[in-house]
Amino acid sequence: SAVISQKPSRDICQRGTSLTIQCQVDSQVTMMFWYRQQPGQSLTLIATANQGSEATYESGFVIDKFPISRPNLTFSTLTVSNMSPEDSSIYLCSVGAQGSEQYFGPGTRLTVT
Amino acid sequence: AQKVTQAQTEISVVEKEDVTLDCVYETRDTTYYLFWYKQPPSGELVFLIRRNSFDEQNEISGRYSWNFQKSTSSFNFTITASQVVDSAVYFCALTSGYALNFGKGTSLLVTP
Repeated sequence: SAVISQKPSRDICQRGTSLTIQCQVDSQVTMMFWYRQQPGQSLTLIATANQGSEATYESGFVIDKFPISRPNLTFSTLTVSNMSPEDSSIYLCSVGAQGSEQYFGPGTRLTVT
Repeated sequence: AQKVTQAQTEISVVEKEDVTLDCVYETRDTTYYLFWYKQPPSGELVFLIRRNSFDEQNEISGRYSWNFQKSTSSFNFTITASQVVDSAVYFCALTSGYALNFGKGTSLLVTP
């Protein structure tokens, strides 16, 4: 299994600002995923990040709001732009192969005031 | 589109009771994979089990067991002799590719 770290672990941000979340994996992986977990809710996939290509966004999520970078096979960033209180969530990155279990980072708890 | 339904929102049991968490799924794919994850109060997601659509054998791991029935599109999870440390939110998930489709989760509270 992969070991995944995320930075920051939590943050409190002002409305209208942006936050970049980092995800580091201890091994090279092809696919990385970004999920959002709103308070008391399930996980929703934001986008899939494949190294060397543009991220693929799920319905309801757009690149202008959640730009993603994937500069190499062990690292990715997710930016939450122009934040509003509705963006307060846990953001998780994960890695996994097709049909295989995904391993998740510890999450970034974001509160927007 | 794929869908996972966990009808039980919250379950409360007393320690040592057995408890079953239900998971019903929908998919048109013939090849798919089912998962269970545990999310304790600390927040991290812990992988418990993966099952592919061609393997309907039940699985037992210690106090945990899983019952996969394609005929009813269900993948239920039973904890035997529950313990306080089992208190968590449990998610069932489904995929035919890469991204996981999660159910809404079942919050399990085990009291002493």
